[in-house]
Amino acid sequence: GAVVSQHPSWVICKSGTSVKIECRSLDFQATTMFWYRQFPKQSLMLMATSNEGSKATYEQGVEKDKFLINHASLTLSTLTVTSAHPEDSSFYICSARPGQGNSPLHFGNGTRLTVT
Amino acid sequence: AQSVTQPDIHITVSEGASLELRCNYSYGATPYLFWYVQSPGQGLQLLLKYFSGDTLVQGIKGFEAEFKRSQSSFNLRKPSVHWSDAAEYFCAVGALNTGTASKLTFGTGTRLQVTL
Repeated sequence: GAVVSQHPSWVICKSGTSVKIECRSLDFQATTMFWYRQFPKQSLMLMATSNEGSKATYEQGVEKDKFLINHASLTLSTLTVTSAHPEDSSFYICSARPGQGNSPLHFGNGTRLTVT
Repeated sequence: AQSVTQPDIHITVSEGASLELRCNYSYGATPYLFWYVQSPGQGLQLLLKYFSGDTLVQGIKGFEAEFKRSQSSFNLRKPSVHWSDAAEYFCAVGALNTGTASKLTFGTGTRLQVTL
C-alpha cells in the first residue's frame, strides 16, 4: 500500500521549453505532497509543499514562477519546469503521506530531467 | 532549524560483515527520525522510522536503528550485509506534530559499497 507514482521517469528537453512532471498517490488521498530536487551525489532538497486546492508553499530560493505546482485533486500534483535551462537538469522526486499526523512519507521513483 | 549530519560519505564493507551508518541530528523538539534507501536512479524507500517508544527500532531488510537522545544520534545497523544492500542511505529528521504534514530534512547520504 501507499504507492506514489511519478511520471515520466526521465525526460530530455530543449532549452526554453517547459516540462510537466506528474505525481500521483495511487491508493490513498494526499492533501499535501512534497517536491524535492536532488543533484548528482547530493541529498534531497525540498523545493515546495503542494497543497490540494490552494497555492503551493515554496522554500526559500526556489522560483515559484519557474517551478509551477498544481495540486488539483487529492491524488495528483504536477510540477512544471517552465523555460527550462541546462542548470535545471536534475532528479526531481515527489512524496506524499497517507493519512494525517506522523505517518511516514512515501516517495515516487523520481524523474530525471535533462535540458539540452 | 533542524539539520542532519551523516559523517560518512562512502563506506565499503565485505558481504557478511556488520554495518553501522552514522546519523546525527539537530532539532529543538522531539524529533521524528527516518532512514531511507535509494538505489541508483530510483526514488526513496523507507527502511524504518522512530517517533516514540522503544529506542531500538526494527525495519525492513534486517535493518535496525537506535535512537540515542543524549548523543543526538540515530545510527543504522545491520548484522550481516548482503551484496544487494549496496545503495545510498539517507537519514532524515522531521517535526513530530499532530494533524499536519511536516517537512523532512535529509542528510547528505552515505553510499554503501559491498564487496564480495
